[in-house]
Amino acid sequence: DGGITQSPKYLFRKEGQNVTLSCEQNLNHDAMYWYRQDPGQGLRLIYYSQIVNDFQKGDIAEGYSVSREKKESFPLTVTSAQKNPTAFYLCASSMGTQSTEAFFGQGTRLTVV
Amino acid sequence: KNQVEQSPQSLIILEGKNCTLQCNYTVSPFSNLRWYKQDTGRGPVSLTIMTFSENTKSNGRYTATLDADTKQSSLHITASQLSDSASYICVVSKEQAGTALIFGKGTTLSVSS
Repeated sequence: DGGITQSPKYLFRKEGQNVTLSCEQNLNHDAMYWYRQDPGQGLRLIYYSQIVNDFQKGDIAEGYSVSREKKESFPLTVTSAQKNPTAFYLCASSMGTQSTEAFFGQGTRLTVV
Repeated sequence: KNQVEQSPQSLIILEGKNCTLQCNYTVSPFSNLRWYKQDTGRGPVSLTIMTFSENTKSNGRYTATLDADTKQSSLHITASQLSDSASYICVVSKEQAGTALIFGKGTTLSVSS
């Protein structure tokens, strides 16, 4: 089955710890994205990548880091510098950043305890 | 400023009734508009896409309209079912280099029996 997979579905982190969220796609898509969703808020772009070994900051990149060493993978690290990391994180991919459709993973809910 | 505004913020209807969700945008230059359905705790899934030249597009009980002159779109749901309970997100694609997806905050629809 082609698709985009995020793991884990639920993640708990202690304050001051870094944590990495996984995102893998087998759709052969060039572009990948990370969004954050808070209650009552729209999706906000954290980082995006148009090709391997290249990525750009989105609207709320502070406290986050990413890598794109492989076309299929776009992991997101939530660092201790992110002051309010508890949120629902969504990864998406598309043929290109001009593509009309983004395919989303099922999300990871991160809770800081 | 490129924005996508959705209304109402939330809506409660009885099973079997119809409803209409609204999306107004100020994105320019406009490429296309897509409606997504997001079940609680899941990733968004595309319902319909509309380009500048399209006025109406249907997907089963979902019918989307677009007025590119007034920059308004609506999503009409006919004969609602309990499974329609979800958040509906309007996403506008902008013609430009780099990421071009601008998300509305969504309308939360609750269908009750």
